[in-house]
Amino acid sequence: KAGVTQTPRYLIKTRGQQVTLSCSPISGHRSVSWYQQTPGQGLQFLFEYFSETQRNKGNFPGRFSGRQFSNSRSEMNVSTLELGDSALYLCASSLAVPGLPYQETQYFGPGTRLLVL
Amino acid sequence: GNSVTQMEGPVTLSEEAFLTINCTYTATGYPSLFWYVQYPGEGLQLLLKATKADDKGSNKGFEATYRKETTSFHLEKGSVQVSDSAVYFCALGGGTSKAAGNKLTFGGGTRVLVKP
Repeated sequence: KAGVTQTPRYLIKTRGQQVTLSCSPISGHRSVSWYQQTPGQGLQFLFEYFSETQRNKGNFPGRFSGRQFSNSRSEMNVSTLELGDSALYLCASSLAVPGLPYQETQYFGPGTRLLVL
Repeated sequence: GNSVTQMEGPVTLSEEAFLTINCTYTATGYPSLFWYVQYPGEGLQLLLKATKADDKGSNKGFEATYRKETTSFHLEKGSVQVSDSAVYFCALGGGTSKAAGNKLTFGGGTRVLVKP
C-alpha cells in the first residue's frame, strides 16, 4: 500500500506570495493532519481534517488554512508569506474509523520544504 | 495543556552501546504515547507506540514502557548501530479525549549519532 504523498517536495517563494501544498493520504485513511517543523519551534500541529471538515486547529494565524476533498486528499494554503513561514510542512494520515478510540496512529509523508525569501 | 519534555541532544554513542532517551509528559486523561524517528531529509516514521499504562511498545530492538506513575516513556535500545543515527521524537496523542482528535504533541527531538 502506498504511503502518504506530498507535493511539491521543495518550494521557494518570496514574501507576500501565497502557497498551496498538497497531501494524498494512505488509501482508506480518512483523517489528515498538518504539522509545521522548524528548528526553533520544533513540530507544531496546524490542523486536522476529517470527512471534509476541520476537526481540530492549532495556534496559527488565519493566514494558514486548509481543506479536505471527498477523496480525503487535503491541501493547505498559506497566504501573505512571511520569512518565518520557512519550514518543513508534514502531512499525516490515519484511519479514523468511527467508533475506534481517538488514539490512532498517524503516518507521515516526506514533507514539503518551503523556503520564503 | 499537554506537553512533552525530551532530553536534549546530541547524543553520541559508539556502535553496540546502550541507548536511552528520556521522555516525560504532562497530560490530562489517558493519552497514547509514541516514538517517531526522522532520518536526514525525510519525514517521520513511527517507531513504536503504547496506548495504556504499563504497555510496552517495541520495534527494531527499541523498547519503551508507558509509566503512568512517573509520567514517562523512555526509549531504550540495547545495542545501537550506525544506521540508528537519526532524530528521535517522543509524542503524546489525544488518548480518550475526543476534543484532542488526532493531534500529536511532540517533544523537541533528540539527535543521536552512532559512530563506528
